[in-house]
Amino acid sequence: KQEVTQIPAALSVPEGENLVLNCSFTDSAIYNLQWFRQDPGKGLTSLLLIQSSQREQTSGRLNASLDKSSGRSTLYIAASQPGDSATYLCAVQKSSGNAGNMLTFGGGTRLMVKP
Amino acid sequence: AAGVIQSPRHLIKEKRETATLKCYPIPRHDTVYWYQQGPGQDPQFLISFYEKMQSDKGSIPDRFSAQQFSDYHSELNMSSLELGDSALYFCASSPRGFSYEQYFGPGTRLTVT
Repeated sequence: KQEVTQIPAALSVPEGENLVLNCSFTDSAIYNLQWFRQDPGKGLTSLLLIQSSQREQTSGRLNASLDKSSGRSTLYIAASQPGDSATYLCAVQKSSGNAGNMLTFGGGTRLMVKP
Repeated sequence: AAGVIQSPRHLIKEKRETATLKCYPIPRHDTVYWYQQGPGQDPQFLISFYEKMQSDKGSIPDRFSAQQFSDYHSELNMSSLELGDSALYFCASSPRGFSYEQYFGPGTRLTVT
């Protein structure tokens, strides 16, 4: 059974810092990995998706990397801003077919960026 | 761009009552997923449908059932509600193809009193 772990569980940084969020998964046979942002009590906003054949994806100040063989992904946030404060979730998808492609989520990292 | 629509956004029910949650996927998305997120927890997969057929089943209680209709919208029916069913219920949709990226709706917050 796939297990996804995110470290740290919570992180508080001053505005402007670069930071790294970590995600690890136990079964390396994944199809893709998604990073989401969730504001308190709100929905999930997809930030980046990395296919298993890719090493990284970038969107603005965000960069996600994937090392499938070691079961790890990182989300790098450059020049953090108070508006980045949210919970960041990573999720892995096992299959590309019409079965087995549900997402398994990690517990999330709660990020606070202080002005 | 069109997004996943869920209704209602908020729902308050009493124990032992029944609730129906609706999900309208992004146009041309043929796969729908339901997830449950309890307070302080990460989302847990409940059930998914592909082309109106159930494709996977996760930790969905027997009191819950779901289906996908001919227009691809989906409904999650929850009976004999318990206090522990209070949660955010998310619907996601994805298209067939290379990425199978899942797009999430805003969620329905169900409170059982």
